[in-house]
Order: sequence, then C-alpha cells, then structure tokens
Amino acid sequence: DQQVKQNSPSLSVQEGRISILNCDYTNSMFDYFLWYKKYPAEGPTFLISISSIKDKNEDGRFTVFLNKSAKHLSLHIVPSQPGDSAVYFCAASRRGGSNYKLTFGKGTLLTVNP
Amino acid sequence: ETGVTQTPRHLVMGMTNKKSLKCEQHLGHNAMYWYKQSAKKPLELMFVYNFKEQTENNSVPSRFSPECPNSSHLFLHLHTLQPEDSALYLCASSQDWAKNEKLFFGSGTQLSVL
Repeated sequence: DQQVKQNSPSLSVQEGRISILNCDYTNSMFDYFLWYKKYPAEGPTFLISISSIKDKNEDGRFTVFLNKSAKHLSLHIVPSQPGDSAVYFCAASRRGGSNYKLTFGKGTLLTVNP
Repeated sequence: ETGVTQTPRHLVMGMTNKKSLKCEQHLGHNAMYWYKQSAKKPLELMFVYNFKEQTENNSVPSRFSPECPNSSHLFLHLHTLQPEDSALYLCASSQDWAKNEKLFFGSGTQLSVL
C-alpha cells in the first residue's frame, strides 16, 4: 500500500509559466514533508520541506503548500525555467515517532519547454 | 572531493557472481543509507547505519549484505542476485539518524543482473 502518491508521472509546462506538482498521502501520522529533485545520472537533492504546523513554505521560486485535511501537498515553481526539468519526488516522515524513516512517492517528471 | 561518491556507476553481473558496491561520504555525517530504486517504483529504504551500527534492515533478502567499517564508508555486498534485483542503488548520508530527512545522495549504481 503506497502511503505517498504522486499520481502524475509527468508534467510539461512552458518556460516562464507556473509548474504545479502534486502529492497525496494516506498516513495521518506524517508530520513532515519534503521535495527532492533528481536530474538524470545524479542522485536526488533536497529542495524544500514543510512541517505540519505550517501550511506554506517559500524559498525563492519554490513554494510548498500543505493541506492537512485533504492530506495533500503541492510544489509550485514560478517562473519555471528549462533547468528545472527533472524528476521531483515527494517524501514524508513522522517526526514524533522514534523512527524518522522517509517514505517516498514514485516521482513526477517535469519538462520545462523553452 | 566533496559529497557522496558511489562506485561503480554501472554494473552488469550474472546471477552467480559476487560483487560489491562502494559508497564514501566526505560530509562528516554519522548516518549512511542504502536505497533501491526500481523502475516505476518509489525509492525503497534497504539499510541504515548510524555511527557504524546497523539500525534498520528493511526486510532485505540475505543476498544483499551491507558493511559499514566507519562513518565515512558503506558497502553493499551482492551475491547470487536475481534479475528482479536490477535497479538503481543509491547511497545517502545525513548528519545522524535523528536528522535523516535531509539526505545527501550519491549518483547511484545502475545494476543489471543477467
């Protein structure tokens, strides 16, 4: 049973427009959420995170929104750039427990067209 | 050299072979991880070492044998693998197990089992 779901395998947007990547989770015990970005032939790199006590966290062009009642989070990239083309992984953990293990989604391939 | 380095980048092996994957981190971290990424599946945690001690074995078959001689080095010994073990194997590190959310990944070893 997948606890973190990224239902869109791929997304294509035009340069300069907004990219919105979505993620849903089923485990209500998750209280910390992260996005990782992965380029081909490289390992994933941490991008941005959000704690469940917040509903929004912003870092430059990247903003993550959390809707706890819907168990949904999204990553907004504005404006999108061709260099943002990569696979984006959503991940979640339960900080309050003794095990901080991350649970990942399958990823969404973002393509930003010039 | 900085970051997390994995060797080899690519590996092809037969089912009767014995091989080892190597990971080295130059970040001064105390926790190291092995993850498996199969096609169209989420990243799966395999093993965790914290201060050289194994703290997590995520029900991994015994044909995968990890070794952590010190906090900077991590090995994954492979023996009598199956074709379904073909995947990208990623090593990661973090400051320690309690701060494992912000992982630093290596570029991975793409393994093909024939």
